[in-house]
Amino acid sequence: SQTIHQWPATLVQPVGSPLSLECTVEGTSNPNLYWYRQAAGRGLQLLFYSIGIGQISSEVPQNLSASRPQDRQFILSSKKLLLSDSGFYLCAWSVEWGEEPLHFGNGTRLTVT
Amino acid sequence: GENVEQHPSTLSVQEGDSAVIKCTYSDSASNYFPWYKQELGKRPQLIIDIRSNVGEKKDQRIAVTLNKTAKHFSLHITETQPEDSAVYFCAAISGGGADGLTFGKGTHLIIQP
Repeated sequence: SQTIHQWPATLVQPVGSPLSLECTVEGTSNPNLYWYRQAAGRGLQLLFYSIGIGQISSEVPQNLSASRPQDRQFILSSKKLLLSDSGFYLCAWSVEWGEEPLHFGNGTRLTVT
Repeated sequence: GENVEQHPSTLSVQEGDSAVIKCTYSDSASNYFPWYKQELGKRPQLIIDIRSNVGEKKDQRIAVTLNKTAKHFSLHITETQPEDSAVYFCAAISGGGADGLTFGKGTHLIIQP
């Protein structure tokens, strides 16, 4: 069966520091991978998605970036965090080319101080 | 792109009563409509989904209905219980599925004892 791992679970970082969140998926190949942010409420905002290695699409311009160095690895990064980057970050995957559900990781609670 | 509207934003019902959450979507090509439940501090989890070739789907106390002509779909929870308290998200997928789901803004369901 497929599993998704996301870490760390909680992170407190000062303003201006770098960020690296990692997500890996097991049990499937060539998944679609996504990063969502949920800030101060309930909405799920799509940040990035990837349909393959090295292929990243950005939905929202910001100081965050994403990379997919391997088929089942997705990384969210920032060179300098802002206070507004605080939130709950969720990695997710779905099958390649299909109207199928998203499967979410457990999320990372990021607090920028 | 797809636009999903969800109502109400908050819904309070007495334990044992039914709850209905409604969503509308804009892209007539959308063919897949999942519903997610998110408990406080946890990841969203799929609870039920429906595809465009079906008008209604039921799973125990949960049902989803779809009206493709009107472009709206609804979540119905009967005999509500305290553990049903959570935020519920509807979503729709379009564009072949590669760019992921478009989510509604969520409904905070509160079950009053």
